[in-house]
Amino acid sequence: NAGVTQTPKFRILKIGQSMTLQCAQDMNHNYMYWYRQDPGMGLKLIYYSVGAGITDKGEVPNGYNVSRSTTEDFPLRLELAAPSQTSVYFCASSYGTAGNTIYFGEGSWLTVV
Amino acid sequence: AQTVTQSQPEMSVQEAETVTLSCTYDTSESDYYLFWYKQPPSRQMILVIRQEAYKQQNATENRFSVNFQKAAKSFSLKISDSQLGDAAMYFCAFPSYNTDKLIFGTGTRLQVFP
Repeated sequence: NAGVTQTPKFRILKIGQSMTLQCAQDMNHNYMYWYRQDPGMGLKLIYYSVGAGITDKGEVPNGYNVSRSTTEDFPLRLELAAPSQTSVYFCASSYGTAGNTIYFGEGSWLTVV
Repeated sequence: AQTVTQSQPEMSVQEAETVTLSCTYDTSESDYYLFWYKQPPSRQMILVIRQEAYKQQNATENRFSVNFQKAAKSFSLKISDSQLGDAAMYFCAFPSYNTDKLIFGTGTRLQVFP
């Protein structure tokens, strides 16, 4: 019963490097989300997707890109990493919005130095 | 715009006592759900309880219950018989029908003292 799986769990990047955070869910959920959580703060929505081939911006999309080629996978791409992107990143999924429970991955801790 | 407000950055409670965490929200929707999530030091997000706005009855899950007041747009979480393991950040969250987004409050850090 994997649920939402994120990789890597920890990563240190140098300024200007790029990387992809992987997210996969095995619950056949239509909706998937990427959030970031800065120290001592709540979660801010970066991007979300309501189904394969459909993505949309959240509150803080600058510096990130996403794609959703399959129902299961929703990778988050960081281009030209900046120290302001140091954060914990959470991938989440749900069957739909409204009353459907959102399931979170365990988080990916990213440090940009 | 829909907003979720948690006005208590930190709360503390003695073990075995009861504590209430506050959450208010703003929406023009009439039918919706509200959630409380717990985030322990491990940073994992754990669903604590869910309330359906069209239901009059307050949701209850073991030691956790809500006081939902729709007219006042208030959704507080009551933790009874507090345990050391309840120490965590608690987030109130509101999923929007119209925008497909889950909106989080800024969180309340709960400390539990023995």
